[in-house]
Amino acid sequence: GAGVSQSPSNKVTEKGKDVELRCDPISGHTALYWYRQSLGQGLEFLIYFQGNSAPDKSGLPSDRFSAERTGGSVSTLTIQRTQQEDSAVYLCASSLEGQGWATQYFGPGTRLLVL
Amino acid sequence: AQKVTQAQTEISVVEKEDVTLDCVYETRDTTYYLFWYKQPPSGELVFLIRRNSFDEQNEISGRYSWNFQKSTSSFNFTITASQVVDSAVYFCALKTNAGKSTFGDGTTLTVKP
Repeated sequence: GAGVSQSPSNKVTEKGKDVELRCDPISGHTALYWYRQSLGQGLEFLIYFQGNSAPDKSGLPSDRFSAERTGGSVSTLTIQRTQQEDSAVYLCASSLEGQGWATQYFGPGTRLLVL
Repeated sequence: AQKVTQAQTEISVVEKEDVTLDCVYETRDTTYYLFWYKQPPSGELVFLIRRNSFDEQNEISGRYSWNFQKSTSSFNFTITASQVVDSAVYFCALKTNAGKSTFGDGTTLTVKP
């Protein structure tokens, strides 16, 4: 079966431009998560979706970051007016449910470079 | 607040040596779940194991074993007879019922031939 997929794999953009990152979760997984991993660092939580709603947006670093999920499936993370400090790998994960026992399975990530 | 500490930033061993990766966690929740993930050079995180807070039974899977001790809030990971293919960054993570996981900063393991 297909795992979590993310697109694009790599994105190079200029400072000030907007970018959209896409995540396709594992079919049937109701929970979806976005994390950010800066070079050589651990994973920083951004946002969590249960179905189409986001009960936890606490990790979004600024109002330039937003995310949505439609149809309980695909999610898009949008970064407006990108800054150089936004450069990182953006990881998406999905799990069968949002409860603690449900293992998160990760996609390959989108490597974002802001010049 | 939850916290996961992986005190070992980098470990280097020679092939066939045993190596233990430490993980210490903090949480006020009585029900929680602990995970280990492997991130090879290709970058994709691979799930290795999940352990429930109410199950302290240790687990062995091939060359991998995990030692969960609630008394010391630790969930350590041992690789026996390490191989070059074990070289990766290993992450320990803590999850309660709130949804998100808290990850440690990772331990970079290098296994030299």
